Amino acid sequence: QSVLTQPPSVSGAPGQRVTISCTGSSSNIGAGYDVHWYQQLPGTAPKLLIYGNDNRPLGVPDRFSGSKSGTSASLAITGLQAEDEADYYCQSYDSSLSGSEVFGGGTKLTVL
Amino acid sequence: EVQLVQSGAEVKKPGESLNISCKGSGYNFARYWIGWVRQMPGKGLEWMGIIYPGDSETTYSPSFQGQVTISADKSINTAYLQWSSLKASDTAMYYCVRLFPLGSSYGYFDYWGQGTLVTVSS
Repeated sequence: QSVLTQPPSVSGAPGQRVTISCTGSSSNIGAGYDVHWYQQLPGTAPKLLIYGNDNRPLGVPDRFSGSKSGTSASLAITGLQAEDEADYYCQSYDSSLSGSEVFGGGTKLTVL
Repeated sequence: EVQLVQSGAEVKKPGESLNISCKGSGYNFARYWIGWVRQMPGKGLEWMGIIYPGDSETTYSPSFQGQVTISADKSINTAYLQWSSLKASDTAMYYCVRLFPLGSSYGYFDYWGQGTLVTVSS
């Protein structure tokens, strides 16, 4: 059971828009800690996709965007492409217990 | 160019010890936290712990405290993840990550190693 909750899977057709949610609590996202997103293509290491809720590293297309509100965050992907098929993970910090980085359980995006 | 290069795949028997490594280059290794992330077969990412190579301050996830040891040698820009007695349930891919700090010891993982696959089987 992950501290951050993501839907196990989402899907969309090429060109469409999809969103992936990441729900936390008052000890992590709701406490004001930033949310970050990672993309893991099949058979590869994860890659930073969004940092600080809504910032893209150099080289990440502007089709990817992030937002945060209250105890939740979302990743939106517009103009879906076949190469976007991957696993997506959110990450934040949780101040409960001794403090810890935490990941969501991951969401498998299928491009139909 | 920042790079984290991990040691190669390992196949071990239950009860054996293991030490895997992560060598950083292209930046001041001592001044950035280095963490470890586990990914069991077909599963998600789990944060294990983190070390500041500059003074070896270490924090562990409660789930991994006492199960592994994280260390670093700043003189050779290398971090380590160690097991004293492996179990079959330690079979997983292990990634080292560089933490870009947003606070004292938290932030986001801006660079990832290529991963080290550890297989524990009798």
